[in-house]
Amino acid sequence: GESVGLHLPTLSVQEGDNSIINCAYSNSASDYFIWYKQESGKGPQFIIDIRSNMDKRQGQRVTVLLNKTVKHLSLQIAATQPGDSAVYFCAEGGYGNKLVFGAGTILRVKS
Amino acid sequence: EPEVTQTPSHQVTQMGQEVILRCVPISNHLYFYWYRQILGQKVEFLVSFYNNEISEKSEIFDDQFSVERPDGSNFTLKIRSTKLEDSAMYFCASGRGLNTEAFFGQGTRLTVV
Repeated sequence: GESVGLHLPTLSVQEGDNSIINCAYSNSASDYFIWYKQESGKGPQFIIDIRSNMDKRQGQRVTVLLNKTVKHLSLQIAATQPGDSAVYFCAEGGYGNKLVFGAGTILRVKS
Repeated sequence: EPEVTQTPSHQVTQMGQEVILRCVPISNHLYFYWYRQILGQKVEFLVSFYNNEISEKSEIFDDQFSVERPDGSNFTLKIRSTKLEDSAMYFCASGRGLNTEAFFGQGTRLTVV
């Protein structure tokens, strides 16, 4: 079936460096994508979203890139901080009323 | 800032017992969801609810599960006869519309013993 998956389960970066978290999706009909951050013991927290009619969207310190040709989504975090340490999930919409989540990438920020 | 609130934060129950997980979605939202996350795994969709009825549900959401919006503010998930494999974090979420960001609560950790 259709699924959303992540290339790297764990990413370690030095504080101050930029982070890039990747996600592959398989349903070409998906038209909405979201990145969530989940800290230990908490619920997913919305970071940024993008619709399929865009290929880039910027927020505060974060940028999401969408490449529909290769069905790839990425989250870029500028000047990564210790507070960015968390699990990051991409999620795929367009299935009606639900989001399909990827497996998650652990981001560890080293001070 | 408005947020989705869930109670209780942790629920321990014996196998076969009924549990009700409670949620208060963000007040002007129209779409309500339940997701679950087994420890160390990804977040899985259970059910969506709109206009006082279920709009979509997953294979996980079998006859043992039900949802209700008993009044204008609460949204509940009931598991009629819990099984060991129901142990997970259950997240409630709400959103303004289709394919818009869903805001999640902090979750209820359900432990079935």
